[in-house]
Amino acid sequence: GAVVSQHPSRVICKSGTSVKIECRSLDFQATTMFWYRQFPKQSLMLMATSNEGSKATYEQGVEKDKFLINHASLTLSTLTVTSAHPEDSSFYICSARDAFGTSGSKETQYFGPGTRLLVL
Amino acid sequence: EDQVTQSPEALRLQEGESSSLNCSYTVSGLRGLFWYRQDPGKGPEFLFTLYSAGEEKEKERLKATLTKKESFLHITAPKPEDSATYLCAVQAVNFNKFYFGSGTKLNVKP
Repeated sequence: GAVVSQHPSRVICKSGTSVKIECRSLDFQATTMFWYRQFPKQSLMLMATSNEGSKATYEQGVEKDKFLINHASLTLSTLTVTSAHPEDSSFYICSARDAFGTSGSKETQYFGPGTRLLVL
Repeated sequence: EDQVTQSPEALRLQEGESSSLNCSYTVSGLRGLFWYRQDPGKGPEFLFTLYSAGEEKEKERLKATLTKKESFLHITAPKPEDSATYLCAVQAVNFNKFYFGSGTKLNVKP
């Protein structure tokens, strides 16, 4: 139980294009999802908290207009990197919290497998 | 300010050599402390959630314990497949987000 998927797992795009990453909770409902970024040999950096049916909450220093988040259902959140540039290349990971505790905990964040973005 | 510090940064063990990883935290009211395992190029895999001092949880060769200031992840008779980065995170009361430590990279040699 408590499985989170991400799609795509890897994406290569040209500078200036937009890329959408999907995060799905497969066997539980998630009113709250989180988007992280991870640089090589570093820990996770929280970018934003995604709330179902409302606006995302962004961490300080994260550009809202560049990293668009949509959480339209209880099982899906999307992150769109707009006008991507080489410095946006990174490993993006989402997580989801089980809203109703069906997995055993309402507080635990369950992570997806990550999406490797390379912007040329 | 809420903080999480993990030590050591890296740990090399021989197969079968038991040891412990430390996670020290400062938080304004602990809602939960979480341990994850992360393999290279993958998302963190959930291991344990601890809520209050004195609580312990076990899974195979791993045992997590919690005090008011720190948590330990004890690894008993590790195997090479236990090699990974182990991450600790805390959640404060009334907050959604996690504060992550920088992780301990464990390498178990056969």
